[in-house]
Amino acid sequence: AQSVTQPDIHITVSEGASLELRCNYSYGATPYLFWYVQSPGQGLQLLLKYFSGDTLVQGIKGFEAEFKRSQSSFNLRKPSVHWSDAAEYFCAVGAAGKLIFGQGTELSVKP
Amino acid sequence: GAVVSQHPSRVICKSGTSVKIECRSLDFQATTMFWYRQFPKQSLMLMATSNEGSKATYEQGVEKDKFLINHASLTLSTLTVTSAHPEDSSFYICSAYGTSGNYEQYFGPGTRLTVT
Repeated sequence: AQSVTQPDIHITVSEGASLELRCNYSYGATPYLFWYVQSPGQGLQLLLKYFSGDTLVQGIKGFEAEFKRSQSSFNLRKPSVHWSDAAEYFCAVGAAGKLIFGQGTELSVKP
Repeated sequence: GAVVSQHPSRVICKSGTSVKIECRSLDFQATTMFWYRQFPKQSLMLMATSNEGSKATYEQGVEKDKFLINHASLTLSTLTVTSAHPEDSSFYICSAYGTSGNYEQYFGPGTRLTVT
């Protein structure tokens, strides 16, 4: 069955430090992969997506993600975190006509 | 582009009453919309897939008679929580497929339902 795993429930990084949020998926075919961000009490905003082609994808707000088929991973990265990046991050895979979400990773940013 | 709105953003209702939540695609036509439920500090749980002009497809374990979904036009889907109880209190989020396909969904801002 299709599934998405985000191993880290909560991550704290210092402002200006680099960030990597992990995402592993289980899906038999070529996956459609997404990263969304959710601020408290808000809906989800699409950060970036991977459908095919270049395995390193650029998104909004300075985020990027790399698709690694051999590792079934789609990790999200940012070279320098800003305090405004504190939020909940969800990885998702498109399967069977719908999105399957990971459990989410809460990002806290220390000043 | 691809903006989805929800109304109301917050609603408080008394136990036993019904409440309707609207989801609109503002600048595109959405043949397929989705309704999610989210508990605090948890991920999104898909409740149902709503297709314009046809009956919604509910996920396993979701009560069809309690959560009525209507997708009467290409820009509007509604979720009605009937005979609401305190355990129905939650954050409800809708989304719609964008025009590019490929599973890309655009999400509304969510509706916070509190049943007293």
